[in-house]
Amino acid sequence: NAGVTQTPKFQVLKTGQSMTLQCAQDMNHEYMSWYRQDPGMGLRLIHYSVGAGITDQGEVPNGYNVSRSTTEDFPLRLLSAAPSQTSVYFCASSYSSNQPQHFGDGTRLSIL
Amino acid sequence: GQQVMQIPQYQHVQEGEDFTTYCNSSTTLSNIQWYKQRPGGHPVFLIQLVKSGEVKKQKRLTFQFGEAKKNSSLHITATQTTDVGTYFCAGHGNAGNMLTFGGGTRLMVKP
Repeated sequence: NAGVTQTPKFQVLKTGQSMTLQCAQDMNHEYMSWYRQDPGMGLRLIHYSVGAGITDQGEVPNGYNVSRSTTEDFPLRLLSAAPSQTSVYFCASSYSSNQPQHFGDGTRLSIL
Repeated sequence: GQQVMQIPQYQHVQEGEDFTTYCNSSTTLSNIQWYKQRPGGHPVFLIQLVKSGEVKKQKRLTFQFGEAKKNSSLHITATQTTDVGTYFCAGHGNAGNMLTFGGGTRLMVKP
C-alpha cells in the first residue's frame, strides 16, 4: 500500500517563484490536510478539505492555495515563495478530521 | 481559536527513567490523539482518547484524558533508546473540522 505520497521530497526555490507540492492518497480518505512544521512550533494547519470540491483555511493559510478536484489528490500551491515559507510540509489524510491522521514523508522546502 | 499547549518542550532522561509529557487545551475537546515522530521522519499515530477520564495503555506507554476533556498526558515507564523522538498531542474540538497540534515534546534518552 502506498498510503500518502508526497512529491517532491526536497525543493529549493528562489524568492518570488511559484510551485506546487503534490499529495496523493490511495485509501479513499475524505479528509486531507496540509501542515507546516518549523522548529519548536509543532505542526500548524495550512488548509484542509473534507471532500472533493470542498476546501477551507487552517491556522496559517496566507501565501498558499489548495484545490481538491478528486478524492485522491490535494495539491498545495505557493503563489510567490518567500523565505518565511522555508519549512517542512506534511500532507495527511483520514476518514474524517477526528480520526487518526496518516502522514506522508514530507517535503523539505528551502526558499532563498 | 483553539490552542493546544504541550510541556515540556524538551526532556533528557537516562535510559530506564520514566518520562511524562503534558497537553493542555484552551477549549473542551471531543477527542485527543497522540503521535510520535522519529528524527527525520513523519508523525505516526499512537492512540486516540475519547471519553472523559479515559486511560489507555500500550506496553510501557500510558495515556490519560482529563475529566474535563481539556488536558491529557503521556507517561513512558522505563524509557529505552527506541523511545527517542518528538511526541505530539492533537486535539479535536467539539465544532468544526480542525485538528490542532501541540508544539511537541522532544525526548532524548541517554544510554
